[in-house]
Amino acid sequence: QKEVEQNSGPLSVPEGAIASLNCTYSDRVSQSFFWYRQYSGKSPELIMSIYSNGDKEDGRFTAQLNKASQYVSLLIRDSQPSDSATYLCAVNKNAGNMLTFGGGTRLMVKP
Amino acid sequence: GAVVSQHPSRVICKSGTSVKIECRSLDFQATTMFWYRQFPKQSLMLMATSNEGSKATYEQGVEKDKFLINHASLTLSTLTVTSAHPEDSSFYICSGDSQETQYFGPGTRLLVL
Repeated sequence: QKEVEQNSGPLSVPEGAIASLNCTYSDRVSQSFFWYRQYSGKSPELIMSIYSNGDKEDGRFTAQLNKASQYVSLLIRDSQPSDSATYLCAVNKNAGNMLTFGGGTRLMVKP
Repeated sequence: GAVVSQHPSRVICKSGTSVKIECRSLDFQATTMFWYRQFPKQSLMLMATSNEGSKATYEQGVEKDKFLINHASLTLSTLTVTSAHPEDSSFYICSGDSQETQYFGPGTRLLVL
């Protein structure tokens, strides 16, 4: 079992819809959770971080964390074609601030 | 805030030569910097963790004598790929740690002929 798992996709949604990206992790001691967006040929950029159970909203993005289920998700409302990218889930187990990345989910938003 | 730069953005070199990549944190001090490598259509692979003033910690399977890391100041870490070979061609990305969050540089695309 991988430490951080994501469905590789592609996840295809129509423009304006809600895109739901999911991530599970195996280590219960994980403390911090991050979502990064990576456009093709570019480096990852931070979208959101979440540390406690529940929802955290930032603009069109909502991160959801459920530590009991070891599950973290990212919702993108009113999806735009410019949101088409690979979304990386990353988990920090507090081992020197090192991140463990999932394989990423490729999102395609169709006009 | 939390901007990381890398130089060069792209480099082409001949097999057997060495290439140095610089990673700078522009608006914060990074006690820890990380070096990743990403092959086409694959996920990020952590190569090493670089701590200011001390030796880098390399991930399993990464040759420390081939990938030399120096973190001489709180804003600069360098990765030198020594005696580069075509199989070292990849996208090298660094990140700096600020307030327990990693911010990535724009990456360096290395092509070894």
